[in-house]
Amino acid sequence: AQSVSQHNHHVILSEAASLELGCNYSYGGTVNLFWYVQYPGQHLQLLLKYFSGDPLVKGIKGFEAEFIKSKFSFNLRKPSVQWSDTAEYFCAVGHTGGFKTIFGAGTRLFVKA
Amino acid sequence: DVKVTQSSRYLVKRTGEKVFLECVQDMDHENMFWYRQDPGLGLRLIYFSYDVKMKEKGDIPEGYSVSREKKERFSLILESASTNQTSMYLCASSLRQLLDSPLHFGNGTRLTVT
Repeated sequence: AQSVSQHNHHVILSEAASLELGCNYSYGGTVNLFWYVQYPGQHLQLLLKYFSGDPLVKGIKGFEAEFIKSKFSFNLRKPSVQWSDTAEYFCAVGHTGGFKTIFGAGTRLFVKA
Repeated sequence: DVKVTQSSRYLVKRTGEKVFLECVQDMDHENMFWYRQDPGLGLRLIYFSYDVKMKEKGDIPEGYSVSREKKERFSLILESASTNQTSMYLCASSLRQLLDSPLHFGNGTRLTVT
């Protein structure tokens, strides 16, 4: 069965620290990869997405993610986090040709000011 | 900008009641989805629809049904609510999920079944 695994459920960082959130998926076909973010009290919104081409994709607010096909991974990174990055982050995978998007369990990030 | 509107932000129902959760999107999206969000489990797909009157089961359809009579509206129905259906319910829509369209989410409905 397809699945998405996020390595950390809770992460606490100080402002200006670097961030890397791990995401691995199990599916052998062609996939579409997403990171969504949910800020406190707000709806889920797209942070970035990968479909094809350059495996390093850039999203909003300075976030980027790298798709490594051989490792079935799509890790999210940010060089220097801000207090306003406090949120829950979800990795998601959709396979081309299907309608279902599968989500990971989410990672709660808390950034200390 | 796409707007997905869920009719209720908070809902409290009793066990055994029939519950309707409504969702409307204003961008003429073909695809609509219902997820439930639970801590530590992420989002799990309940049902989705890729066209009017069409519906497909997701990963956890038991205890739920859906209705899509109009393109912009997708309703989730709990035929007989149970306490294990206490959760946050998220509606989403997308333009063309087969290719490059991400999901657009509503604000969610937090349902408590007592």
